[in-house]
Amino acid sequence: AQSVTQLDSQVPVFEEAPVELRCNYSSSVSVYLFWYVQYPNQGLQLLLKYLSGSTLVESINGFEAEFNKSQTSFHLRKPSVHISDTAEYFCAVSDYNQGGKLIFGQGTELSVKP
Amino acid sequence: DVKVTQSSRYLVKRTGEKVFLECVQDMDHENMFWYRQDPGLGLRLIYFSYDVKMKEKGDIPEGYSVSREKKERFSLILESASTNQTSMYLCASTLADQETQYFGPGTRLLVL
Repeated sequence: AQSVTQLDSQVPVFEEAPVELRCNYSSSVSVYLFWYVQYPNQGLQLLLKYLSGSTLVESINGFEAEFNKSQTSFHLRKPSVHISDTAEYFCAVSDYNQGGKLIFGQGTELSVKP
Repeated sequence: DVKVTQSSRYLVKRTGEKVFLECVQDMDHENMFWYRQDPGLGLRLIYFSYDVKMKEKGDIPEGYSVSREKKERFSLILESASTNQTSMYLCASTLADQETQYFGPGTRLLVL
């Protein structure tokens, strides 16, 4: 069965520093990959996704993630974080033809300090 | 914009009560999902539905049931609430398997 591991439960960083949130998944079969973000007291919203094509995908607010099939990873990066990026981030994977069923990682709490 | 609404943001129930959590989406999505979110465990799938009157068990269905009588509405039922069902419950919907899942704001349930 598919599984997703987010290697860091909490990541504290200072404002304007770079950050990487790590995500590995278990299966090397064809998958769709997602990063969702949850701001305090809100539901989840999509940050970015990889379906096919270019292995580097970007969000509108400066995050990017690279699909690495050989390492079964989909790490999320941002070169310079803002206070407003403080949130919990979830990596998720969906196998082809699974009707959109997602397997989520445990979540990484990003805390950006001034 | 897609909107997914959940009937309550906060709910307090007693052990043994029957609990209904309602979810409504307004974008004619085929697929709907119920998750529970617990610290350190991420989101775990309870049940999902691909169509009206269809339902499939997720990873942790024990103690829960669901109902989908109309396409836009997906209900989660706790037949007899227990304290270990205290959690945040999130509903989501999606048009197809590679599409974005849209989430509701969540219901934080406390079972005493």
